[in-house]
Amino acid sequence: EVQLVESGGGLVKPGGSLRLSCAASGFTFSSYSMNWVRQAPGKGLEWVSCISGSSSYIYYGESVKGRFTISRDNAKNSLYLQMHSLRVEDTAVYYCARAGSAASAEYFQNWGPGTLVTVSS
Amino acid sequence: SYVLTQPPSVSVAPRQTARITCGGSEIGSKSVHWYQQKPGQAPVLVVYDDSDRPSGIPARFSGSNSGNTATLTISRVEAGDEADYYCQMWDSYSGHYVFGTGTKVTVL
Repeated sequence: EVQLVESGGGLVKPGGSLRLSCAASGFTFSSYSMNWVRQAPGKGLEWVSCISGSSSYIYYGESVKGRFTISRDNAKNSLYLQMHSLRVEDTAVYYCARAGSAASAEYFQNWGPGTLVTVSS
Repeated sequence: SYVLTQPPSVSVAPRQTARITCGGSEIGSKSVHWYQQKPGQAPVLVVYDDSDRPSGIPARFSGSNSGNTATLTISRVEAGDEADYYCQMWDSYSGHYVFGTGTKVTVL
């Protein structure tokens, strides 16, 4: 069974930093692209970042480019999101999501329960 | 950037059919995927590649995509189908993913 569990969320002041982690199990982690998707309170889903299985390809949404860094450790079956220069508008539940298949990264097959990041003074 | 437009809400009586649209320029030339999200829960994939269903998703959920509109159809709606629904596509040129604005389905 595929399992994704995020951690690292919490309360941080504007301008601060935070590192999110996602522990994966139940599949060959290195074969799949992984993503971070966020959802502000009462709002819709927003894609944040994607990383390919070998870390060869990395993409960011425009709202986080230059501030967030995605990475992965295939030996530890873990995905990370390093967030710097946090803004109030970064407040959201952050989900870790696995690509649909090893061949298709176009959709998100599995999601973690999410971790809440609150940016407030 | 590419925009996917959904109606904010759809209301449907039990056992009737709900249709949720997702509009975008020439969306019929792209693959569209749909997610169901219940309050306090993570999204769940219900349709991928326009019309395929993941294992465990009832056949009552179906999808189509043509021209400028993709549609998620829920047949024989049940109370448990009440949720927010999001369409999504992948922009191969930018490598970015786009979500629709979301539709709240209410079962009367």
